[in-house]
Amino acid sequence: LAKTTQPISMDSYEGQEVNITCSHNNIATNDYITWYQQFPSQGPRFIIQGYKTKVTNEVASLFIPADRKSSTLSLPRVSLSDTAVYYCLVTTGFQKLVFGTGTRLLVSP
Amino acid sequence: NAGVTQTPKFQVLKTGQSMTLQCAQDMNHNSMYWYRQDPGMGLRLIYYSASEGTTDKGEVPNGYNVSRLNKREFSLRLESAAPSQTSVYFCASRQGEGTYEQYFGPGTRLTVT
Repeated sequence: LAKTTQPISMDSYEGQEVNITCSHNNIATNDYITWYQQFPSQGPRFIIQGYKTKVTNEVASLFIPADRKSSTLSLPRVSLSDTAVYYCLVTTGFQKLVFGTGTRLLVSP
Repeated sequence: NAGVTQTPKFQVLKTGQSMTLQCAQDMNHNSMYWYRQDPGMGLRLIYYSASEGTTDKGEVPNGYNVSRLNKREFSLRLESAAPSQTSVYFCASRQGEGTYEQYFGPGTRLTVT
């Protein structure tokens, strides 16, 4: 399983764009990159997944360079409700989701 | 749809007691999972069931057993609870191949004294 490294914490202000970068140097050919969000006392919630280049949905964008050794989750115009822990996961097959300690994002007014 | 439901929400056990955590999903998903999350940590996979009738160990299976009762239900049993099993337990489900999106339940907060 590929190991991921992401910042422990980040601070931002409402209305700003937040970019959280995850390093996964030993990602394998068949691995996908997935991001989850977790609020206190709740289970994680899927945000986005991707394999290469750029993926966008209604809440976030995921940028993956050609070498796939890192990825960046981009949250446009964050609000206070985006304060949460964000997990970057590298997965092959459906069963092996490995959650690290994640990045604690604090959005201030 | 209720999604993924878990019972109970809270539980306090004494060391050596046993209990079963219940999980059910109404999304007709094939795969189901049990995780534990210790304070300030990420989730760790205990057991999973890729499909009805199959179960496999995850990262931290010791001290636990599971049963995939049917496609909807996946239970986690602690035969002899230990203080090290104090944690928040999350159940999750996934449709199947083609997506890594797992749907998580609200969690069960377990304290073993």
